[in-house]
Amino acid sequence: AQKVTQAQTEISVVEKEDVTLDCVYETRDTTYYLFWYKQPPSGELVFLIRRNSFDEQNEISGRYSWNFQKSTSSFNFTITASQVVDSAVYFCALSLAQGGSEKLVFGKGTKLTVNP
Amino acid sequence: DAGVTQSPTHLIKTRGQQVTLRCSPKSGHDTVSWYQQALGQGPQFIFQYYEEEERQRGNFPDRFSGHQFPNYSSELNVNALLLGDSALYLCASSLVRELTQAYNEQFFGPGTRLTVL
Repeated sequence: AQKVTQAQTEISVVEKEDVTLDCVYETRDTTYYLFWYKQPPSGELVFLIRRNSFDEQNEISGRYSWNFQKSTSSFNFTITASQVVDSAVYFCALSLAQGGSEKLVFGKGTKLTVNP
Repeated sequence: DAGVTQSPTHLIKTRGQQVTLRCSPKSGHDTVSWYQQALGQGPQFIFQYYEEEERQRGNFPDRFSGHQFPNYSSELNVNALLLGDSALYLCASSLVRELTQAYNEQFFGPGTRLTVL
């Protein structure tokens, strides 16, 4: 079975601070995808990033960056120079790569509050 | 290009009643997945429909059932509602590409918030 753990329940930062959201996952499969989604108060899940298990290269996309380490089963997400609009609940998720649209297994989420 | 739409936006029911939630997938998508998100929790997979059949199912009781229509839209039905069924119900659509290991992006709708009193 797959499992995603987000140990941080809530994080509060001041605008322009960098913030890292932690994610640890469990799966016995060798091929899988990892995701980060953002859920603003409106409720709709917004896709942020996806990584497959064969690509551990860490990248930066604008103010977002991620650190994928298979050795520790972690997929951490960093927002650089946070803004008030970044305030939301962030979910880490895992999906097996078995063809088609496999189900997403989500963590419990981390609520990020960015204060002005 | 319309995204995933869900109706109604909000719904209030009483215990024991039945409810039907509706989802229209993003244009060009053929697969619909349903998720339940309880307050303060992450979404949990209920089931997925493809070619009008249930393709995958999560750990939910038979009170939760669904249907997919020829136009790919879908319904989620919940019978004998319990207080614990109060949640945000999210629909996600995607396009299944056969014979490939590539992941097919799931696009989420705004959800239906169900309150059971």
